[in-house]
Amino acid sequence: QVQLVQSGAEVKKPGASVKVSCKASGYMFIGYHIHWVRQAPGQGPEWMGLFNPDSGDTEYAQKFQGKVTMTRDTSINTAYLELRNLRSDDTALYFCARELGSAFDSWGQGTMVIVSS
Amino acid sequence: DIVMTQSPLSLPVTPGEPASISCRSNQSLLHGNGYNYLDWYLQKPGKSPHLLIYLASTRASGVPDRFSGSGSGTDFTLKISRVEAEDVGVYYCMQPLQSPYSFGQGTKLEI
Repeated sequence: QVQLVQSGAEVKKPGASVKVSCKASGYMFIGYHIHWVRQAPGQGPEWMGLFNPDSGDTEYAQKFQGKVTMTRDTSINTAYLELRNLRSDDTALYFCARELGSAFDSWGQGTMVIVSS
Repeated sequence: DIVMTQSPLSLPVTPGEPASISCRSNQSLLHGNGYNYLDWYLQKPGKSPHLLIYLASTRASGVPDRFSGSGSGTDFTLKISRVEAEDVGVYYCMQPLQSPYSFGQGTKLEI
């Protein structure tokens, strides 16, 4: 079955960077876009951008341009989200999700990133 | 950017009774291919969101038929014909028509 398994929680200091992984299994990794969505504590989801694992092409929400980089390693079917220059308001749960057609049909379990001095 | 607005934000329901959630967008979600690009997700407490409805009215695989989606253009509705205890959580609509994709604020269904 389709599974997206994300890396574990991270605690970072302001100004640091973090790289979250999302390992795909049960389907052809390069055949489906991966989206990244974040959810701040008590808030709704917020779309960050999408990544094409086949071409490596990205589309970032303007809000996150310069803040995030989405990459992949096709040899291990894993997508990555890197966030730079972390601030306290980057504290959130970060999800990867597979796009099927127009919808996100499978989601990772989420990775909590806490930014605190 | 497309703004999604849900109502109500809180929905107390009784098991066995119907429930309805509204989602409105500030731009039409009707694609030139004739489909409305509007999805519904349910996020149960402590879990990731999961897909209920896509393209406004198509149930995702494994979703019970008590869930239905309708609407077109800018006005959409998610209906639960008979609420069950397992339906508690926060329901979100999302538009994947135009970047940046956007979610509604969420509707918390409580029993």
